[in-house]
Amino acid sequence: AQTVTQSQPEMSVQEAETVTLSCTYDTSENNYYLFWYKQPPSRQMILVIRQEAYKQQNATENRFSVNFQKAAKSFSLKISDSQLGDTAMYFCAFVLDDKIIFGKGTRLHILP
Amino acid sequence: EAEVAQSPRYKITEKSQAVAFWCDPISGHATLYWYRQILGQGPELLVQFQDESVVDDSQLPKDRFSAERLKGVDSTLKIQPAELGDSAMYLCASTPVNRGPYNEQFFGPGTRLTVL
Repeated sequence: AQTVTQSQPEMSVQEAETVTLSCTYDTSENNYYLFWYKQPPSRQMILVIRQEAYKQQNATENRFSVNFQKAAKSFSLKISDSQLGDTAMYFCAFVLDDKIIFGKGTRLHILP
Repeated sequence: EAEVAQSPRYKITEKSQAVAFWCDPISGHATLYWYRQILGQGPELLVQFQDESVVDDSQLPKDRFSAERLKGVDSTLKIQPAELGDSAMYLCASTPVNRGPYNEQFFGPGTRLTVL
């Protein structure tokens, strides 16, 4: 069975700094998708970034980028120039055959 | 901007009572999901609909939970009877095409259930 592990329950960084959130997963499959979702306080969850496992190039969305290491089964999220609005829960998600498995999340605090 | 609507936002009930949650996905979204998110954990899929049909309800506790999407549009999730362990956030999400979660899921604000 697939599992997703986020080893950092909570993190705090100063505004404008760069922060990296870790995610590892376990699977014996070769083709799958990985997502990072953001859940701001009292607001709905939104997609941050998506990565197809068959693509070697790391996905990038403005200040958000991933470091996808398929052999190591690692999928970390880097937030550059962090902003107060980045304060949220961040969930790593693994998708295979229409099944989605979320990690337990990392609570990120951006400090002014 | 179109959003997934859920109601109520908050629900407090007593053990053994019945509760129901409603979700209205973004117009035209064929796939609808119900998740349960226990405090401090990630969402867990309860049921997935493709139009009006259930695609996956393997994690739905069918002795007490039921879900329907009769006309393939809005959906209702019911719990009867509610138990203390059901206290959680219930999230609804939808996707625009029938490619499952490979596409971005659009989430509603959730219903926070407290069972006393």
